[in-house]
Amino acid sequence: NAGVMQNPRHLVRRRGQEARLRCSPMKGHSHVYWYRQLPEEGLKFMVYLQKENIIDESGMPKERFSAEFPKEGPSILRIQQVVRGDSAAYFCASSTRTSEFSYNEQFFGPGTRLTVL
Amino acid sequence: AQTVTQSQPEMSVQEAETVTLSCTYDTSESDYYLFWYKQPPSRQMILVIRQEAYKQQNATENRFSVNFQKAAKSFSLKISDSQLGDAAMYFCAYRSARTSGTYKYIFGTGTRLKVLA
Repeated sequence: NAGVMQNPRHLVRRRGQEARLRCSPMKGHSHVYWYRQLPEEGLKFMVYLQKENIIDESGMPKERFSAEFPKEGPSILRIQQVVRGDSAAYFCASSTRTSEFSYNEQFFGPGTRLTVL
Repeated sequence: AQTVTQSQPEMSVQEAETVTLSCTYDTSESDYYLFWYKQPPSRQMILVIRQEAYKQQNATENRFSVNFQKAAKSFSLKISDSQLGDAAMYFCAYRSARTSGTYKYIFGTGTRLKVLA
């Protein structure tokens, strides 16, 4: 069973361009989380999605950032008009359907390192 | 809001010795999970150990154990018989156990562990 996959692993963009980061959850997982790790910092929650639904986007910047998790295909984190401050590692995690008594571990992907020139 | 604090930016330990990494957290909830994650230079997030707040017994995984003090809101990680492969960033994390909500993880800023040969 393949783990969480993210691509690309490294992405270089110039200021003003768009960045698209992809996340394929583990097989059987219907919940996806995106986290951002700025240099020398811990991971910070951005958004939580289920198939076709955004459940919590309280950690997403209000502008330029969006996320989706369509019925088919990977989850996409999209950053429009990137700025140097967007340079970071972006991690995706996935889990199974949540239930009242289940722990529902989040499994992390290897991350995408975005560099904005 | 919940917070996680790691007050040791960097720690060093001699190979085969024991080291303890500190973590404190703040929450008004009574039921939650606590984690230690290891992040080697590859940046992959690796789960080291997990503790359920309702369990009084401290979790143990081989050479890794925790000292969970719920009243003090303290959650330290002890690594025994340190090995060169233990060198990495270590992150403490918190997750609510509420059945509703986002299940997002809240991470500390990390402790860089160096293992000296």
